[in-house]
Amino acid sequence: AQTVTQSQPEMSVQEAETVTLSCTYDTSESDYYLFWYKQPPSRQMILVIRQEAYKQQNATENRFSVNFQKAAKSFSLKISDSQLGDAAMYFCAYRKAMEYGNKLVFGAGTILRVKS
Amino acid sequence: EPEVTQTPSHQVTQMGQEVILRCVPISNHLYFYWYRQILGQKVEFLVSFYNNEISEKSEIFDDQFSVERPDGSNFTLKIRSTKLEDSAMYFCASSEGTGRAYGYTFGSGTRLTVV
Repeated sequence: AQTVTQSQPEMSVQEAETVTLSCTYDTSESDYYLFWYKQPPSRQMILVIRQEAYKQQNATENRFSVNFQKAAKSFSLKISDSQLGDAAMYFCAYRKAMEYGNKLVFGAGTILRVKS
Repeated sequence: EPEVTQTPSHQVTQMGQEVILRCVPISNHLYFYWYRQILGQKVEFLVSFYNNEISEKSEIFDDQFSVERPDGSNFTLKIRSTKLEDSAMYFCASSEGTGRAYGYTFGSGTRLTVV
């Protein structure tokens, strides 16, 4: 079974600085997707960024980028120019590709605190 | 932007009572999911639903749980006899397909409190 591990229960960053959240996963599949979701205090799940395993290029979305290391099964999220609104719980998630009814497998989450 | 709508946002129920959580997925989506998040813990998969039947379910999804798409727009999760440990946030999600281009959209969740 696939597992997702987030080893940092909590991280802090100063406003305008950069922070990296770690995620590792375990799978025997060669084709899959990886995601970072943001969960603010409202508890809604918001997709931040997505990476397809067959793509070597790291995904970027404005201030958010990932460092995808397929051989190491590592998928970290970098947030640049951190803003107060980035404070939230961040979940890393994995999903098999091209499978019927494929589910998301989540990590335990990292709480990100942003200091002004 | 299309949304997944969940109602109610918060429900309090007595232990042993039946509850139905409701979701309206995005209209052209074909795959539907329920996830659960116990406070402070990870988000856990419960069940996926496609073509009017369950396609996958987790160990959590036992005989106390059932899902239904009664009318082509709603997607419901029923818990027959609630336990204290069913207290959690329940998220509905939908996706258009399962191939490369298809992502999930989550609803804003229903907070279930069993007392």
